[in-house]
Amino acid sequence: AQKVTQTQTSISVVEKTTVTMDCVYETRDSSYFLFWYKQTASGEIVFLIRQDSYKKENATVGHYSLNFQKPKSSIGLIITATQIEDSAVYFCAMREGRGNTNKVVFGTGTRLQVLP
Amino acid sequence: GPKVLQIPSHQIIDMGQMVTLNCDPVSNHLYFYWYKQILGQQMEFLVNFYNGKVMEKSKLFKDQFSVERPDGSYFTLKIQPTALEDSAVYFCASSPQGASAETLYFGSGTRLTVL
Repeated sequence: AQKVTQTQTSISVVEKTTVTMDCVYETRDSSYFLFWYKQTASGEIVFLIRQDSYKKENATVGHYSLNFQKPKSSIGLIITATQIEDSAVYFCAMREGRGNTNKVVFGTGTRLQVLP
Repeated sequence: GPKVLQIPSHQIIDMGQMVTLNCDPVSNHLYFYWYKQILGQQMEFLVNFYNGKVMEKSKLFKDQFSVERPDGSYFTLKIQPTALEDSAVYFCASSPQGASAETLYFGSGTRLTVL
């Protein structure tokens, strides 16, 4: 069964620095898709970035990038030049690529606080 | 970007009553989902739905839960009867094709309080 684990419950950083949030996953599939979502203080859930398991290059979108280490089943989220408004809860998620499975499984989230 | 709307944003009911949570998915999306989140913690998958049918459901999707989308109207989650442990925020999501690479678009959630 698919499983996503985020061990960091909370992180605090000073703005304009770089932060990395960890995520490891479990799957039996050779093909899968990894996502990071952000939940703001208002509760809104926003998609940030995606990594396809068959791609070797780390995905990058704006000041978000991923550190995909497939042998370690790890997909870290890196935020560079953090801003106060990056403060939120970040969820790692995975969807397996086989058959008709469309279920997306989420980790427990990491709360990021960006301080001035 | 595409918006998923959820109505109402907050619902308070007495234990044992029925409740229906409404979701208006993105207009051209075909796959629909419900997730349950307790106290800002992990989002737990409940169910996904396509072409009028439940595709998958988790253990959290109890017999008291049901989903439907009659005639392209709201995608609804009905709980009958409700229990205290059903208190949570319920998020609806949709995706265009349900393909594995596609992202989910989430609504803002309905906070359900069962008294």
